[in-house]
Amino acid sequence: DAGVIQSPRHEVTEMGQEVTLRCKPISGHDYLFWYRQTMMRGLELLIYFNNNVPIDDSGMPEDRFSAKMPNASFSTLKIQPSEPRDSAVYFCASSLLRTEETQYFGPGTRLLVL
Amino acid sequence: LAKTTQPISMDSYEGQEVNITCSHNNIATNDYITWYQQFPSQGPRFIIQGYKTKVTNEVASLFIPADRKSSTLSLPRVSLSDTAVYYCLVGVLSGGYQKVTFGTGTKLQVIP
Repeated sequence: DAGVIQSPRHEVTEMGQEVTLRCKPISGHDYLFWYRQTMMRGLELLIYFNNNVPIDDSGMPEDRFSAKMPNASFSTLKIQPSEPRDSAVYFCASSLLRTEETQYFGPGTRLLVL
Repeated sequence: LAKTTQPISMDSYEGQEVNITCSHNNIATNDYITWYQQFPSQGPRFIIQGYKTKVTNEVASLFIPADRKSSTLSLPRVSLSDTAVYYCLVGVLSGGYQKVTFGTGTKLQVIP
């Protein structure tokens, strides 16, 4: 398996623009997680899905952020409009619901909002 | 959610054993303890997981006392490549829904 795939790996945009981050989880995994990592706040859980259904979005910072999972093999995290404080590395992770649960992380998308 | 507390940073010389302790005083009965490792510019990677007593794999050992209010990740004979941030997570694993939260982690610096 190729692991969790994220695109783009790097994104530079201007304030006010829409940004869409993409994630392909490991095939067969039940859970998908979106995280944001910054030096100031560390690694924060934004939202997670179970079987394509959003379960907990309490970590989403504000209404400018939205996430969807239209099918089991694809998810998006959208920021509209983007702001400089959104600059961070965004990770997607997936896991399989079982006793020995482990989250597998993607390589991340480094976002810079100018 | 069980809150975890770890040292912010640690230094160690190459070849030494490193023990990183995580406190989780309000761990729940169904919670498991999981440790992740993160290298710069990469996503976290699973190291080890346990519920009680001791767990060992090819990478590390995890010691959990009977009260489960803390856990210790032990890395034997560290090398420079073990320089990374180590996260302790506590959460439910099986059945129902779960939410796991990464704390600040412990930044381990291995010195030649």
